[in-house]
Amino acid sequence: NAGVTQTPKFQVLKTGQSMTLQCAQDMNHNSMYWYRQDPGMGLRLIYYSASEGTTDKGEVPNGYNVSRLNKREFSLRLESAAPSQTSVYFCASSGRHSNQPQHFGDGTRLSIL
Amino acid sequence: LAKTTQPISMDSYEGQEVNITCSHNNIATNDYITWYQQFPSQGPRFIIQGYKTKVTNEVASLFIPADRKSSTLSLPRVSLSDTAVYYCLVVGGSQGNLIFGKGTKLSVKP
Repeated sequence: NAGVTQTPKFQVLKTGQSMTLQCAQDMNHNSMYWYRQDPGMGLRLIYYSASEGTTDKGEVPNGYNVSRLNKREFSLRLESAAPSQTSVYFCASSGRHSNQPQHFGDGTRLSIL
Repeated sequence: LAKTTQPISMDSYEGQEVNITCSHNNIATNDYITWYQQFPSQGPRFIIQGYKTKVTNEVASLFIPADRKSSTLSLPRVSLSDTAVYYCLVVGGSQGNLIFGKGTKLSVKP
């Protein structure tokens, strides 16, 4: 049982390039999330999808777009990468209600030069 | 938003019991208290969740007083492998209101 799978694990981009981070879960969860974590900081919510077909902004959505492709997959897109978006990105999934535990992937380490 | 306050760091030695306290003064009636553990280069992992009084599982115990304005995560007899960052969250409202904060960095020494 893979849980939450994120690809790629590492990526280096140049300023202005675009890229899509992929996330897939095999736990039949309704809700999925994208977070970023900067050094010495906690996780900050970028976007979330409470259920298939819906997406909502989190705390730091600027510069990002998301797509809930189906129940399993939730992608995060950087249209024009900036150095300030250098971070570790985590995808998570959970059951329908916010008090149900989230299950996290191992992260994508993204550097933008 | 029910924000939480917890110590930035704690030190302990192997075999000791560690208690990490979290303050959440404006917790709402329907909110739960949830703790996660994060090792370097990994995503957070759910440890324990509770609503009131005491909850215990194979990893930890969670103590919540009657007023629910704080909670204490208790790790019995820690080992070096318990060195990690521990996050306290208050959950129950919108999924968009989940706030991890900076967590408590626990260092366990031999």
